[in-house]
Amino acid sequence: DADVTQTPRNRITKTGKRIMLECSQTKGHDRMYWYRQDPGLGLRLIYYSFDVKDINKGEISDGYSVSRQAQAKFSLSLESAIPNQTALYFCATSDLMGADTQYFGPGTRLTVL
Amino acid sequence: AQSVTQLDSQVPVFEEAPVELRCNYSSSVSVYLFWYVQYPNQGLQLLLKYLSGSTLVKGINGFEAEFNKSQTSFHLRKPSVHISDTAEYFCAVSDSVKLIFGTGTRLQVFP
Repeated sequence: DADVTQTPRNRITKTGKRIMLECSQTKGHDRMYWYRQDPGLGLRLIYYSFDVKDINKGEISDGYSVSRQAQAKFSLSLESAIPNQTALYFCATSDLMGADTQYFGPGTRLTVL
Repeated sequence: AQSVTQLDSQVPVFEEAPVELRCNYSSSVSVYLFWYVQYPNQGLQLLLKYLSGSTLVKGINGFEAEFNKSQTSFHLRKPSVHISDTAEYFCAVSDSVKLIFGTGTRLQVFP
């Protein structure tokens, strides 16, 4: 079984709809991250969490919100989706140390029409 | 602020040829550097990382990278590529809290 799972893997939705992307991990890591990937822009950090009570904004948090329901679960929500939020979204985890490796999920491809 | 520049957005190369993917960083603090690879329709996985010590770092699948502090570079190399190395490669720097990624280099290996 994969260590970091994301659901759904693909989603097509309409402008204005509320969308939730979910991430679960079995690695026992404290830190979790949400990124979006756009062609030519690399990965940009949306939100990150060091534990259940610690949530931090990343580089591009506007239009997004997150919830850390448990150590193993970190959800990303788009309250009112817009077309420029069409992208590939990745969840990642890492252990406590800042120099540690991040482990990525398989990604969710989101299309907003 | 820390940042990463990947100078080449695409690198085409023939199978069994050597390849170098370039990465330059800017950082005012201790540097932790990473190379990740993304195969088609997959998430990212770690190729190698530099934390301290030897400036030549060996990773998986025959890749290696050299940390050059004076040139603020961390270029990725492989002496002989395979078709299966076709992927997107990302250089990243850690600020001890989070990773900052470059824009990626697409390596295309031709038979």
